[in-house]
Amino acid sequence: GAGVSQSPSNKVTEKGKDVELRCDPISGHTALYWYRQSLGQGLEFLIYFQGNSAPDKSGLPSDRFSAERTGGSVSTLTIQRTQQEDSAVYLCASKWGLAGGGDTQYFGPGTRLTVL
Amino acid sequence: EDKVVQSPLSLVVHEGDTVTLNCSYEVTNFRSLLWYKQEKKAPTFLFMLTSSGIEKKSGRLSSILDKKELSSILNITATQTGDSAIYLCAVLSNNDMRFGAGTRLTVKP
Repeated sequence: GAGVSQSPSNKVTEKGKDVELRCDPISGHTALYWYRQSLGQGLEFLIYFQGNSAPDKSGLPSDRFSAERTGGSVSTLTIQRTQQEDSAVYLCASKWGLAGGGDTQYFGPGTRLTVL
Repeated sequence: EDKVVQSPLSLVVHEGDTVTLNCSYEVTNFRSLLWYKQEKKAPTFLFMLTSSGIEKKSGRLSSILDKKELSSILNITATQTGDSAIYLCAVLSNNDMRFGAGTRLTVKP
């Protein structure tokens, strides 16, 4: 069956522009995560959606970052006024069940964002 | 198509046992392989492997990359209940970062 998909796969933008990254989770998965992987660093948690509950935004690095999940399915991560330090691979993952429940997360292929 | 396969998918052991987790990959323009431990919110970074045959070690955990076999293993010796987690393998290429499905390790007292 279809896995988690993300678009675009690559995005090059100029400093100061806004970008939107999209994630299509596996159908039926109630949990959705956004992470980013910067060069030479570990995976950084950004935001977590679970069903209709209020999202856990504790990982968002600044108020330039926001995310939405419409209809409990597709999610969009928006970065406003991009900075060069925002350059990273942005990963989306989805799974069944609640956080900490031990179920496997299925990762998308990521969006490689480059801010010039 | 690039892919990362981990085995086993699930493993149950008792405290004190030694475990070996496997990760094999098929990617173009390989750059590095990463291991993570995930318990709750975000995976915790364990190792990054770029060169073949060089073991990386951290306490009871160690890992090595075999570029000829396109694989890596993660060893955990003298397992403890706190090692219970999902262990993720990811491969970074020029184009993207691809994760395996993970191995769910359960360590029983």
